[in-house]
Amino acid sequence: DTGVSQDPRHKITKRGQNVTFRCDPISEHNRLYWYRQTLGQGPEFLTYFQNEAQLEKSRLLSDRFSAERPKGSFSTLEIQRTEQGDSAMYLCASRGQREKGEQFFGPGTRLTVL
Amino acid sequence: AQTVTQSQPEMSVQEAETVTLSCTYDTSESDYYLFWYKQPPSRQMILVIRQEAYKQQNATENRFSVNFQKAAKSFSLKISDSQLGDAAMYFCAYRTGANNLFFGTGTRLTVIP
Repeated sequence: DTGVSQDPRHKITKRGQNVTFRCDPISEHNRLYWYRQTLGQGPEFLTYFQNEAQLEKSRLLSDRFSAERPKGSFSTLEIQRTEQGDSAMYLCASRGQREKGEQFFGPGTRLTVL
Repeated sequence: AQTVTQSQPEMSVQEAETVTLSCTYDTSESDYYLFWYKQPPSRQMILVIRQEAYKQQNATENRFSVNFQKAAKSFSLKISDSQLGDAAMYFCAYRTGANNLFFGTGTRLTVIP
């Protein structure tokens, strides 16, 4: 399978704990995006990488959130001191260099904060 | 600010019939892209159809077509010959250049056998 993969698929944690999610994009894609999707809503943009550079961050990305893409391949999204409001599906998408290229989405990581 | 509005939270269609999902958007940009994505239950989001704003011709992909009205900032999706596998959440989305997507709140489509 050469699509976008995310790990873990599900994560249950207690409030105050730290969690880290991983995204492996399609191998030749240099652009990587993180989105958050809450129940009944469309995905909301969190952050965007071009290669290893984090070029854009949404104001939704509070100080407790950090994302990295150290070698321009996989990416991690860490949430520190989780809160119940962080419960959501976290989606990763990747895209190639073509202007018209579409974003390919991964299956998401569903986070539940108790 | 870019906004995408889907005014139909839920729609239903009889199998083999045609259904149209509505989407409006607001932007000050002249060059942008519009998309319809499908998100089946517990499955990942996939692209259904794409429209470049500079193209006047409406995009079509097999049973899926759009009605793009640039002046009205309207971008509806028509599904012809609906199939059971079309049941899903459908999201309208917008982007400029290499930037991120802005999504609407989605329309849940039910296909009735």
